[in-house]
Amino acid sequence: TQLLEQSPQFLSIQEGENLTVYCNSSSVFSSLQWYRQEPGEGPVLLVTVVTGGEVKKLKRLTFQFGDARKDSSLHITAAQPGDTGLYLCAGEGGYQKVTFGIGTKLQVIP
Amino acid sequence: DAGITQSPRHKVTETGTPVTLRCHQTENHRYMYWYRQDPGHGLRLIHYSYGVKDTDKGEVSDGYSVSRSKTEDFLLTLESATSSQTSVYFCAIRSRDRGSELENRGYYNEQFFGPGTRLTVL
Repeated sequence: TQLLEQSPQFLSIQEGENLTVYCNSSSVFSSLQWYRQEPGEGPVLLVTVVTGGEVKKLKRLTFQFGDARKDSSLHITAAQPGDTGLYLCAGEGGYQKVTFGIGTKLQVIP
Repeated sequence: DAGITQSPRHKVTETGTPVTLRCHQTENHRYMYWYRQDPGHGLRLIHYSYGVKDTDKGEVSDGYSVSRSKTEDFLLTLESATSSQTSVYFCAIRSRDRGSELENRGYYNEQFFGPGTRLTVL
């Protein structure tokens, strides 16, 4: 069974602060997705990373895939209240083998 | 939003009763998935479908069955609901079908999710 550990599980910060959340595994993934989920809604895809060492930017969000494709990080610059939500990572380890992390619950206080 | 709807959105039922949840998509996607989401466990795959009448088990399939008689509909049935099946259920579709792989445009399991069904079994 492939496991994806996310840390921290909870994060409460002030508007304007920077933060990083981590997604770690002992398994290699062919791709890794990051999703954001708001209360009462389904997860929404933010980005897919594929190549070891890859960095993708989405406005104030920076995603990095580890060189060995076993881990990933999400960095948010100058967090805003609209960034509040549950951030999930999901690793693809084979045909229909997608493993989701438990998630990082982020609260950005105005 | 990939045109995914789920019904019902909320349901309260009693232990031992059958329950069917419906997922409907409007964009002719081949792959469809049913997940449950529980605190401390994240999203766990129950069953998935790779075409009409083609389904397979996921990580937590015990106590659940599925059917897909049409491309657009994927049904999840709890034959005899138990309290341990109280959860939020999400349907998802895969955005890239096999055609993308054959055209060498990448083959990643990016999924689009429905709004969820909150099921409470008393």
